[in-house]
Amino acid sequence: GESVGLHLPTLSVQEGDNSIINCAYSNSASDYFIWYKQESGKGPQFIIDIRSNMDKRQGQRVTVLLNKTVKHLSLQIAATQPGDSAVYFCAEDYHSGGSNYKLTFGKGTLLTVNP
Amino acid sequence: DAGITQSPRHKVTETGTPVTLRCHQTENHRYMYWYRQDPGHGLRLIHYSYGVKDTDKGEVSDGYSVSRSKTEDFLLTLESATSSQTSVYFCAVGEGTATEAFFGQGTRLTVV
Repeated sequence: GESVGLHLPTLSVQEGDNSIINCAYSNSASDYFIWYKQESGKGPQFIIDIRSNMDKRQGQRVTVLLNKTVKHLSLQIAATQPGDSAVYFCAEDYHSGGSNYKLTFGKGTLLTVNP
Repeated sequence: DAGITQSPRHKVTETGTPVTLRCHQTENHRYMYWYRQDPGHGLRLIHYSYGVKDTDKGEVSDGYSVSRSKTEDFLLTLESATSSQTSVYFCAVGEGTATEAFFGQGTRLTVV
C-alpha cells in the first residue's frame, strides 16, 4: 500500500519529460526479465519484458534495455504522465534447477511525476 | 486480475498463533508464488509451486510452509506467527519460463 514507497530509491520528474529507471540484477543465468508497476494499494502489474538474447525491446511509451555485460536493466518511459507515478520493480526469471524457474524481484524505485 | 483471489484481505493475529493465507486462481496456471512486501525490501519470494504437490523455497522461507493439493489453490501457513512476519503478502500465478506473472491484490497481515 502507501508504505511501499518508503526507503526506496526515488526519481522525480516533470510531466512530459522522459524517465529512466535502472536496475542491477544478480544472476547471470537469468533468461528473462520483466518490469512491473505497482500503484498504491494494488498488486504489481506487468509493463514489459525482454529475453536474455535481446538488447532492447519497445512497447507503447516504454523501452527496456538489457546490458548483460554489466547485468544492468533499464526502463525508459517517454513523455511521463502523472498516471505513471508508482513504484517500479524489475524482476528476473532464472532456471533454479530441473525444470523450475524462480521469479525474483529487485527492491523497486519510486517514480513521482510532478505536474 | 487474471482470476486470482487472496483471502483474507486483512488479518490481525496474535504472536504464536497459526495463520493460513489462501490464494485461489481460476485459469489453471502452472506456477504459483507467495511474496512478502516490506518497506525498503521490495518483493521477496517466500515459496513457489511449479505444479500440484511440487513446491520449492524462495529467499525468505524460514517460518513459512506451503501446500498445493489442487492446481487452483496455494496455501501459505505461518505455523507460529511472529511480529517480524507482519507484512503485505502477495500471491502471483504464471507459467514460469519466460512468461509474465499476474498478481493478486495482497493480504495485509499484522501480528501483535
